Amino acid sequence: AQSVTQLGSHVSVSEGALVLLRCNYSSSVPPYLFWYVQYPNQGLQLLLKYTTGATLVKGINGFEAEFKKSETSFHLTKPSAHMSDAAEYFCAGGYQKVTFGTGTKLQVIP
Amino acid sequence: NAGVTQTPKFQVLKTGQSMTLQCAQDMNHEYMSWYRQDPGMGLRLIHYSVGAGITDQGEVPNGYNVSRSTTEDFPLRLLSAAPSQTSVYFCASSSREPGWDTEAFFGQGTRLTVV
Repeated sequence: AQSVTQLGSHVSVSEGALVLLRCNYSSSVPPYLFWYVQYPNQGLQLLLKYTTGATLVKGINGFEAEFKKSETSFHLTKPSAHMSDAAEYFCAGGYQKVTFGTGTKLQVIP
Repeated sequence: NAGVTQTPKFQVLKTGQSMTLQCAQDMNHEYMSWYRQDPGMGLRLIHYSVGAGITDQGEVPNGYNVSRSTTEDFPLRLLSAAPSQTSVYFCASSSREPGWDTEAFFGQGTRLTVV
């Protein structure tokens, strides 16, 4: 069975600090992987996705993620956090079927 | 450029009442789905449809019905609301089934409280 696991339900960073949100997948076949962001009282919107090709994927708002097959990971990073990055982030993925992680709430401290 | 539109945004029901959550998309997507979002549990798939006239159950289908008479619309019916159905409901659409290289487009959600 394939699954996606997000480590840490809450992450706090200072404004200007590195953002690192962790996602690991479990799949015997390399999956398609996505990061979505959910702002308060909004639906989910796509940040970035990995399908095939380049393992470093750049998304919107300065976020990027690297697919590491050897570590079965797809961690989301941003070099410098902004107050507007405060939101909940979901990792999702799979092959022929998608599962969502349980989400990580990012708090940005001024 | 509407995308996926859900109505209503908020709803309070009494136990035992029925209601329909509406979902419409204008992107001509074949695949539509309903999720519920509960704290600490992420999104769980309730029902999905791969095209007009075709629906199937997801992970948590009990207590919900769906139908898909047109490509655009995919309503979710609660037959007899229970407090356990208090949740935020999201409708999503995509050009093909999830689990491939296409992302899902989500509505803004319906926050349902059952008292």
